[in-house]
Amino acid sequence: EAEVAQSPRYKITEKSQAVAFWCDPISGHATLYWYRQILGQGPELLVQFQDESVVDDSQLPKDRFSAERLKGVDSTLKIQPAELGDSAMYLCASSFHWAIQETQYFGPGTRLLVL
Amino acid sequence: AQTVTQSQPEMSVQEAETVTLSCTYDTSESDYYLFWYKQPPSRQMILVIRQEAYKQQNATENRFSVNFQKAAKSFSLKISDSQLGDAAMYFCAYRSGGSGAGSYQLTFGKGTKLSVIP
Repeated sequence: EAEVAQSPRYKITEKSQAVAFWCDPISGHATLYWYRQILGQGPELLVQFQDESVVDDSQLPKDRFSAERLKGVDSTLKIQPAELGDSAMYLCASSFHWAIQETQYFGPGTRLLVL
Repeated sequence: AQTVTQSQPEMSVQEAETVTLSCTYDTSESDYYLFWYKQPPSRQMILVIRQEAYKQQNATENRFSVNFQKAAKSFSLKISDSQLGDAAMYFCAYRSGGSGAGSYQLTFGKGTKLSVIP
């Protein structure tokens, strides 16, 4: 069964450094989501792509976070500079199309620790 | 804005027994979807069951069923014949049925950690 791939699975970095996370959605899925999950809480949406276009980034801290999906397939989420409060699990999810299929399929996540 | 509340941070159940996880939500919309996701330790989140608000019939998937009370804005998950593999974090989630790509994000509760006792 096809799955959403994410790398790295774990990342430790120091405050003020840059970090990047990669996500490869299920083949054929046009919609891609990045969520942040703080320990003990549910995921919160950071950004949503439809193909290569951003359709919702209202919760993305744009002063330090950026996301791209240049060819409408895989995506990269970057944090620069990282802050202590960025320590969390970063989840990527995909769905066939936001208007057709409601189910979002999640990747294993990248656990970030900022020291 | 919609909110999802899971009032049980932790629950436990004996293997083979039945357990019910609670979820309430707040919305002014009439068209929406509700989901239960399972997140096992160190593994990805997977969909357990979903419910369309316009459907009166409660959704069922094998040992998993929901009790959807639209007027009360309640959406509980019942797990029957609990198995060791059911141990995980369970998240209740809401998705608007409105128009526009940006309205399809999921709003999650804080989760309920389910332990299964052998």
